Amino acid sequence: AQSVTQLGSHVSVSEGALVLLRCNYSSSVPPYLFWYVQYPNQGLQLLLKYTSAATLVKGINGFEAEFKKSETSFHLTKPSAHMSDAAEYFCAVSEGGFQKLVFGTGTRLLVSP
Amino acid sequence: EAGVTQFPSHSVIEKGQTVTLRCDPISGHDNLYWYRRVMGKEIKFLLHFVKESKQDESGMPNNRFLAERTGGTYSTLKVQPAELEDSGVYFCASSQAEAAKNIQYFGAGTRLSVL
Repeated sequence: AQSVTQLGSHVSVSEGALVLLRCNYSSSVPPYLFWYVQYPNQGLQLLLKYTSAATLVKGINGFEAEFKKSETSFHLTKPSAHMSDAAEYFCAVSEGGFQKLVFGTGTRLLVSP
Repeated sequence: EAGVTQFPSHSVIEKGQTVTLRCDPISGHDNLYWYRRVMGKEIKFLLHFVKESKQDESGMPNNRFLAERTGGTYSTLKVQPAELEDSGVYFCASSQAEAAKNIQYFGAGTRLSVL
């Protein structure tokens, strides 16, 4: 069975500071990994995905994530936070193809001026 | 192009009543998924349609939940009778038929409150 652990239900950063949201996964098969973001009153929007190509994945809005098999991690980073990045972020894993997504519990990012 | 649309956005019902949630996927998307997030917990998979067929319904919690996708277009999720523990946000997602393009696009969700 697959699972995802997101460390920290809330992360607070100052505007301009580094954003680091942690995600560790468990999978018995080579995983497909995703980061989604949910802004208030909106649906989940895909930020980026890893599907066994390059281990450093670049996404929208300046976010990127690095797949580290040895650490079973897929942490999300952004060099400089903007106020508009305040949202809830979800890490997810799947077995690929059309398989279901297995989500972590989410991390709410708070950005202060 | 319209995204995934869910109706209603909010629903408040009493225990024992029936509620029907609707999802309109992106036009042409054969795959349709339902997920649920109970307060403070992770988003959990409920089921997956390919066109009008149920591909995987392993996440359906019990027989009070009935999902349909007649004609392979929109889908409904009926809860009958609703219980307190059914409260949460129900998300629908859709994706294209090509595996390489299997990005799931999500709707804004239906927030269900059972009192």
